[in-house]
Amino acid sequence: DAGVIQSPRHEVTEMGQEVTLRCKPISGHDYLFWYRQTMMRGLELLIYFNNNVPIDDSGMPEDRFSAKMPNASFSTLKIQPSEPRDSAVYFCASSPLAGVTDTQYFGPGTRLTVL
Amino acid sequence: DAKTTQPPSMDCAEGRAANLPCNHSTISGNEYVYWYRQIHSQGPQYIIHGLKNNETNEMASLIITEDRKSSTLILPHATLRDTAVYYCIVRDHGSSNTGKLIFGQGTTLQVKP
Repeated sequence: DAGVIQSPRHEVTEMGQEVTLRCKPISGHDYLFWYRQTMMRGLELLIYFNNNVPIDDSGMPEDRFSAKMPNASFSTLKIQPSEPRDSAVYFCASSPLAGVTDTQYFGPGTRLTVL
Repeated sequence: DAKTTQPPSMDCAEGRAANLPCNHSTISGNEYVYWYRQIHSQGPQYIIHGLKNNETNEMASLIITEDRKSSTLILPHATLRDTAVYYCIVRDHGSSNTGKLIFGQGTTLQVKP
């Protein structure tokens, strides 16, 4: 298995631009998670999906952030418009049946820099 | 979910056992103890989890005290590649927030040659 795949690995953009981060979870996993990591705030859960349905988006910082999961093998996290304070590493993770185990498998992350 | 307390940093000599402590004094009966680690520039990696009994896998051992208020992650023969931030997390599998891991600041383990 290739593991969780994220693209791009690095993104540099200018303030005000739209940014789209992509994630392909491990096949057969029912849960998908988006996290953000900064030095100041550590690793924060933004949103997670179960069977393509958003379950908890309480960690999404504001309306500029949106996430979708159109099918079981693909998810996007969009920031529009982007701001310098959005600069962070964004991780996607997937998990099999949560409730049985909370083992999450993380992707390599996307390092976002907003100038 | 119960909160955890970990030392911010620890050192360990290569080849020796690394013992990473975690306090979770408010843990409830249904909550599991999970350990993850994050090597620099990588995503977090699952290590091990347990409820009451001690657990061992190919990566590490988890020792949970009888009162379950603390635990220790043991890396039996630490290598330089074990240098990472180690996170101790407690989770209730029956919680309505199933799947929601809350990461604290963790312990930065530095393995030295």
